[in-house]
Amino acid sequence: DARVTQTPRHKVTEMGQEVTMRCQPILGHNTVFWYRQTMMQGLELLAYFRNRAPLDDSGMPKDRFSAEMPDATLATLKIQPSEPRDSAVYFCASGLVRPQGPYEQYFGPGTRLTVT
Amino acid sequence: QKEVEQDPGPLSVPEGAIVSLNCTYSNSAFQYFMWYRQYSRKGPELLMYTYSSGNKEDGRFTAQVDKSSKYISLFIRDSQPSDSATYLCAMSAKERNYGQNFVFGPGTRLSVLP
Repeated sequence: DARVTQTPRHKVTEMGQEVTMRCQPILGHNTVFWYRQTMMQGLELLAYFRNRAPLDDSGMPKDRFSAEMPDATLATLKIQPSEPRDSAVYFCASGLVRPQGPYEQYFGPGTRLTVT
Repeated sequence: QKEVEQDPGPLSVPEGAIVSLNCTYSNSAFQYFMWYRQYSRKGPELLMYTYSSGNKEDGRFTAQVDKSSKYISLFIRDSQPSDSATYLCAMSAKERNYGQNFVFGPGTRLSVLP
């Protein structure tokens, strides 16, 4: 049963610290998404990659967030320095682009981040 | 006005009821419509997707799209307590250069009471 995995599942850190979240997409999927979910804003797209190349990261605060795909099995989202307003659940999703139709996105379990 | 609107609920219904969940949208370019279910403290999971207007049925779930009214619905028949979750609609339109992108609604929280 192929799944997206994310680590860590929970992270509590102090303001100013660096946070790195990791995602392993489903093998064979060529598109990876990073989302942030809060009660106030709902699910927001931060960035997405196709074949490891960043296609759109306009949803990310550029001064503190960065997203990379060092290889096809790993995507990372980094926050440096972290702030209390970054507290949220961060989801990674992966999908396969088809010639027709949308991606079907498969979400990981999320990383619950609390910045104090 | 947000691009996709959805009543946040919570919506409480008795077991066995027919549930109707709805989204309205403003972008007429959307042509793919999806419903996701999200259990508490889990990631969203795809329930159904439809292309353009019409109905699609899958077991107890029926998705309906009315592009002329910019309105989509998800019906759940014979609702069960296990259907208690947040339901998010999502939609996409082809981008000119980069393929497709998703917009999610804020979600409706559903509770099915035994």
